[in-house]
Amino acid sequence: SYVLTQPPSVSVAPGQTARITCGGSNIGSKGVHWYQQKPGQAPVPVVYDNSDRPSGIPERFSGSKSGNTATLTISRVEAGDEADYYCQVWDSSSDHHYVVFGGGTKLTVL
Amino acid sequence: QITLKESGPTLVKPTQTLTLTCTFSGFSLSTAGVGVGWIRQPPGKALEWLAIIYWNDDRRYSPSLKSRLTITKDTSKNHVVLKTTNMDPVDTATYFCAHSIVSSSSWYFDYWGQGVLVTVSS
Repeated sequence: SYVLTQPPSVSVAPGQTARITCGGSNIGSKGVHWYQQKPGQAPVPVVYDNSDRPSGIPERFSGSKSGNTATLTISRVEAGDEADYYCQVWDSSSDHHYVVFGGGTKLTVL
Repeated sequence: QITLKESGPTLVKPTQTLTLTCTFSGFSLSTAGVGVGWIRQPPGKALEWLAIIYWNDDRRYSPSLKSRLTITKDTSKNHVVLKTTNMDPVDTATYFCAHSIVSSSSWYFDYWGQGVLVTVSS
C-alpha cells in the first residue's frame, strides 16, 4: 500500500520559516492535502490540492511539490502555529482507491 | 454551514461490534461529488483513514481493516454509520467523521466532526 513519510518533528523560532516535508512514490502525480491539528481538536485543512488555501487560512501557509516530496511551508511562524501537521493523498488506480495519511509532524515553536 | 457529529458508545468490550453514527447538516449526501469518511486516531498517534462512502453509494475501505468494516448511509436522515466488528484494545481511538469533496481529481476532508473517544476494555 502507498506510504507517505513525514519527519516526526520540526522546530522553529517565532518569525522564522518552517518547512514540513511529505515524501511518497510518484507523489508528483497526486493531489496533496495538508491538515493542522491542535491538541484535543479535530484536524483542519490548511492547504488542499498541493497549493490552494481554504477560506480563512492565512497566506503564511503554502504548499509545493518537487520530485517525490511535497512541502508545507509556514512563513513568519507564530506561537499559535504549534500543532501536528498531516499530509494526505488519494491513491487511486484501476484496482484500488485509498485515502492515505502521513505519520504526522509535530511543529514546535521555540 | 456544514456540521458533523459522531455518536456511539464510548466503551466497548473486546470482540464486540462497534456502531458509530455520523449525523450531519448543511449538505446532502445525494449531491454528486460529495462523500463522508471515517478517520480514527489512537491516543498520541497519527490519523488513520478507515472508510468513505460517496453520493453514488460507492464505498471504499482501508485495506488493512476491510474485513471488519461496513459503512452505510441514510440520505433521508443525514446519517452515515460505520460498523467495526471484533473490537480489540488496539482499536481504542478517537473516531472522526468528515465531509469529503474532490478537488482536481483528489478527494480531501474539508469539514470534520469533533470526534468521539472509544475505549475497548473488558
